[in-house]
Amino acid sequence: GAGVSQTPSNKVTEKGKYVELRCDPISGHTALYWYRQSLGQGPEFLIYFQGTGAADDSGLPNDRFFAVRPEGSVSTLKIQRTERGDSAVYLCASSGGQGDGYTFGSGTRLTVV
Amino acid sequence: GEDVEQSLFLSVREGDSSVINCTYTDSSSTYLYWYKQEPGAGLQLLTYIFSNMDMKQDQRLTVLLNKKDKHLSLRIADTQTGDSAIYFCAVFSGYSTLTFGKGTMLLVSP
Repeated sequence: GAGVSQTPSNKVTEKGKYVELRCDPISGHTALYWYRQSLGQGPEFLIYFQGTGAADDSGLPNDRFFAVRPEGSVSTLKIQRTERGDSAVYLCASSGGQGDGYTFGSGTRLTVV
Repeated sequence: GEDVEQSLFLSVREGDSSVINCTYTDSSSTYLYWYKQEPGAGLQLLTYIFSNMDMKQDQRLTVLLNKKDKHLSLRIADTQTGDSAIYFCAVFSGYSTLTFGKGTMLLVSP
């Protein structure tokens, strides 16, 4: 597609529930990134995919967070047993190479109540 | 790991120049970026500079890099009210990811 698409744009869930956030990167971009942005903060790295594999998942805060990219295109970020502290905007980005920078989607605003 | 610092707030009058500063810690940083974020919106890539450059100009935007001091700045000439946003400095240091600063809120008054 023309840009990075994230769905849903907003998600409200109850504490303890499971959520899935979807990212559709720019066609042909092999690198895909998930970041989390809390209010008043810069984006914080979660996980990076090169193709189908997670090349770096060092930013995932704990084992409740997991992400997949089974066919090397669309990625899903999965959060189990959500907590109120998980509330944030989850940003996805894709890149065609270092000099291109990252192209970000508009994000999914997750609110855990 | 990389640490990126920015001042939190800058206020200017329309027509003035704005200068947003950023410092980073990893001297092996290769690409350095500036992103703009408007309220409720995603991050928009404004410009970038490669570490072997001192300056890059792109219309109203000028990026200056002092590699010795690990200091990056973004100058916006003839600042307009539409430039009001949060500006993020981001650094790619050869690991797999970009590290972002906390952002500088630019407020442009008429």
